[in-house]
Amino acid sequence: DTGVSQDPRHKITKRGQNVTFRCDPISEHNRLYWYRQTLGQGPEFLTYFQNEAQLEKSRLLSDRFSAERPKGSFSTLEIQRTEQGDSAMYLCASSHTRLAGESEQYFGPGTRLTVT
Amino acid sequence: KNEVEQSPQNLTAQEGEFITINCSYSVGISALHWLQQHPGGGIVSLFMLSSGKKKHGRLIATINIQEKHSSLHITASHPRDSAVYICAVSQAETSGSRLTFGEGTQLTVNP
Repeated sequence: DTGVSQDPRHKITKRGQNVTFRCDPISEHNRLYWYRQTLGQGPEFLTYFQNEAQLEKSRLLSDRFSAERPKGSFSTLEIQRTEQGDSAMYLCASSHTRLAGESEQYFGPGTRLTVT
Repeated sequence: KNEVEQSPQNLTAQEGEFITINCSYSVGISALHWLQQHPGGGIVSLFMLSSGKKKHGRLIATINIQEKHSSLHITASHPRDSAVYICAVSQAETSGSRLTFGEGTQLTVNP
């Protein structure tokens, strides 16, 4: 399977704990996006990478959130000192930039985080 | 007001019916995306369009750039079409083409 993969698929943690999620994009894709989706809502943008450079972070991404994409391959999203409001589905998507025009984004299955 | 608005929020249809989901947006875009999300979270891209109309099987997507409006049509609907359909827009000149999403339309097709 050469699609976008995410690990873990589900995570239950206690408030105050740190969690880390991993995303493996499609191998030739140079852009990688993180989105967050709460129940009944559409996803919201968190951050994106072009190769290994993190080019934008949403205001939604507080200081407790950090993301990396070492070597421009897989990415990790870490949440420190989790809060109940962090409970959501965390989605990763990747795309390959074109010289002109837009590119389709391919989504992973998501990581569902529950903070108790 | 959200930059991307979808209607209706919920839609129930009988198998075989023709279905239309609407999307309006308030920003300049480079492309509009229609996505499908099944229970469990996985999102699949159905269409990406910047003008005119696209068709894939029983699905048709149209966009009117002047009116900032798009529609997703499903012909001869089937219970397996039951899912959340999400409209999203991208703006190539800003933010690396990140997507701004509508809240989704929950479609249920009954046999």
